[in-house]
Order: sequence, then structure tokens, then C-alpha cells
Amino acid sequence: SQTIHQWPATLVQPVGSPLSLECTVEGTSNPNLYWYRQAAGRGLQLLFYSVGIGQISSEVPQNLSASRPQDRQFILSSKKLLLSDSGFYLCAWSVGTTTNEKLFFGSGTQLSVL
Amino acid sequence: AQSVSQHNHHVILSEAASLELGCNYSYGGTVNLFWYVQYPGQHLQLLLKYFSGDPLVKGIKGFEAEFIKSKFSFNLRKPSVQWSDTAEYFCAVTGGFKTIFGAGTRLFVKA
Repeated sequence: SQTIHQWPATLVQPVGSPLSLECTVEGTSNPNLYWYRQAAGRGLQLLFYSVGIGQISSEVPQNLSASRPQDRQFILSSKKLLLSDSGFYLCAWSVGTTTNEKLFFGSGTQLSVL
Repeated sequence: AQSVSQHNHHVILSEAASLELGCNYSYGGTVNLFWYVQYPGQHLQLLLKYFSGDPLVKGIKGFEAEFIKSKFSFNLRKPSVQWSDTAEYFCAVTGGFKTIFGAGTRLFVKA
């Protein structure tokens, strides 16, 4: 069966420090991968998605970047965190050659930038 | 650009009351429509989806949703809610590989 791993679960970082959140998927190949940020009252904001290795689509211009170095690995990064980067970050995956049929979500990372 | 609008941010109902959560979307092409639910302390999970065919779709736990193309709407309904339906509900739209979510509706069902 397929599983998605996301870590760390919580993270407290000072302003200006770097960030690296990792997400890996097991039990499937060539998944579509996603990073969302969830904020109270604002739902899930799509940050990045990838339909293949090295292919990254950015949805919201901001202080973050994403990379997909391997088929089932998706990394969210920042060189210098801002206070506004605080939030709950969710990784998700789906399969589909022309569209998403269903998204499967990780357990999320609560990031606090102080 | 895709967008999703959920009409209510917070809804409080008593058990056995009927539920309808509104969702309107904006997208220029063919879309697939979803409702996801997040129970307290749990991951987001799929409640139901519409791709094509019968515009009235049924999901888990007695939920259903109706796609009205002319109104760009995909409202979620349940005839009689239970305390266990307390959760946050998200409407979502997929165009291609992009899935956009609404702001969510927090439902609290009083026992």
C-alpha cells in the first residue's frame, strides 16, 4: 500500500534561518507531488506541484522554493525564513496522467518562525 | 485562474438537522470537483468527487453533492447530521494537475 511520510512534525526556527521540509512517498511510482500551506480561515493554499523529477510549478511568488531530486521525494526550502512563513505545511500526492483523481495527504509540519 | 469560494466559515447545527454547505468555483475549462473532510486530529480525506455523468454524487457517511454547471456550484448536503460529523470541510477544484481548495467550513454538531 502507498504511504506518505512528512517530517519534521513541528519546527521552530528563527527569522533568517534556512528551512528544509522533506516529503517521501512509498508504494507508488511517478506520483504527482504537492506542497500546500494551511492557515485558519484561508483553507489550503497551493504552493508548488510537480508532475515529474526536476519539474516544479510554483503557484505563489514567495520566500520558498521546492525541489524534486528523486521520483518520490519532494523538498520545500527557504534560504532565509520570514515571520510570515509560519504555518502548517502539508505534502500530498496523487496519481493520474491527465488530472488528479484524488489527493493523499501527509500528516503535516507545523512551522513557527520566531 | 481557478478559484473556490465557500460561503460559510463556521456552521453550528444540532444533531438530526439538515446540512448544506455552499461551494462556488471559477475555472475556464473542464474541472473535477471534490469535497474533502478533516476530522479533529486526522488527515484530510476525500468525502466525494465529481468527474462526469450524474451531477448528483454520493459519498461516504451519507453525504452527497450536486454539481450545477450553470451556477458553477457544487454544494454538499446531508439530510441528518450526527455529532461525529463535526469536522472541517473543504471544497476543491482540479483543472489538469492543479487542485485548488476553498477556505473551508468548520462544522460543529451539538449532541
